[in-house]
Amino acid sequence: AQSVTQLDSHVSVSEGTPVLLRCNYSSSYSPSLFWYVQHPNKGLQLLLKYTSAATLVKGINGFEAEFKKSETSFHLTKPSAHMSDAAEYFCVVSDRDSSYKLIFGSGTRLLVRP
Amino acid sequence: NAGVMQNPRHLVRRRGQEARLRCSPMKGHSHVYWYRQLPEEGLKFMVYLQKENIIDESGMPKERFSAEFPKEGPSILRIQQVVRGDSAAYFCASSPIQGQRLYNEQFFGPGTRLTVL
Repeated sequence: AQSVTQLDSHVSVSEGTPVLLRCNYSSSYSPSLFWYVQHPNKGLQLLLKYTSAATLVKGINGFEAEFKKSETSFHLTKPSAHMSDAAEYFCVVSDRDSSYKLIFGSGTRLLVRP
Repeated sequence: NAGVMQNPRHLVRRRGQEARLRCSPMKGHSHVYWYRQLPEEGLKFMVYLQKENIIDESGMPKERFSAEFPKEGPSILRIQQVVRGDSAAYFCASSPIQGQRLYNEQFFGPGTRLTVL
C-alpha cells in the first residue's frame, strides 16, 4: 500500500533563510506526489505535483520539490522563507488503483521567525 | 469564480444527535470528495461522489455515516447518532471533468470543524 511519511512535525526557520520540509514515500510503482499547504481556517491549496515528468518540480510561491527515486523522497524546499509561508504542509501520494484517492502525510507545521 | 464552499464552518453537537455537513463544489465541477482530519493527523479519504452517484465509499465508516450529491444542491455528509470520536475537521474537495482522465486536481474547501460534546 502507498504511504507517505513526513519526518518533522514542526520546522522553525528565520525569515529569509532556506526552508526544507522532508517527505518519504512508500510505493511499489512510480507514484504521483503532491504538496499541499493549509493556512489557518482555510482550505488546502496545491503547491506542486509530480507525475513522472521532470524530477524537479516547481510550484507556486517559490517552492519546489525534487523526486528522488533512489531515496524514495520528495522533499519540499524554498530558498528564502517569508512570514506568509507559516502554515501546515502536507505531502500527499495518490492511490495506485484509485488515483482520485489522495493519501496524506501527518503534516509539518512551518513556523517563520522574524 | 467562488471556491469550494462548506457550511457550517463550525458545528457543535451532543452525543446522539445528527450532524449534516454541506459542500458546494466549484462551478463546473461534478466530482466531490470528502476527507476527515482527526487531531494531529493528515486527511483521510472517505467518499467520492458524482451527481446522484456514489463512486467509492471505501473510506466511510460502515455505520452512521452517509453521503449524497443530488442532481440539484450541495453534497451532504450526514452523521447519525454522533459520538465523541466523530469530532474532527471534515473537508470537501471538488474536481472538474477532463476527458477520460481519472485524476484531476482537487480543490479543497475550508472544512467544517465538528465538535461532539
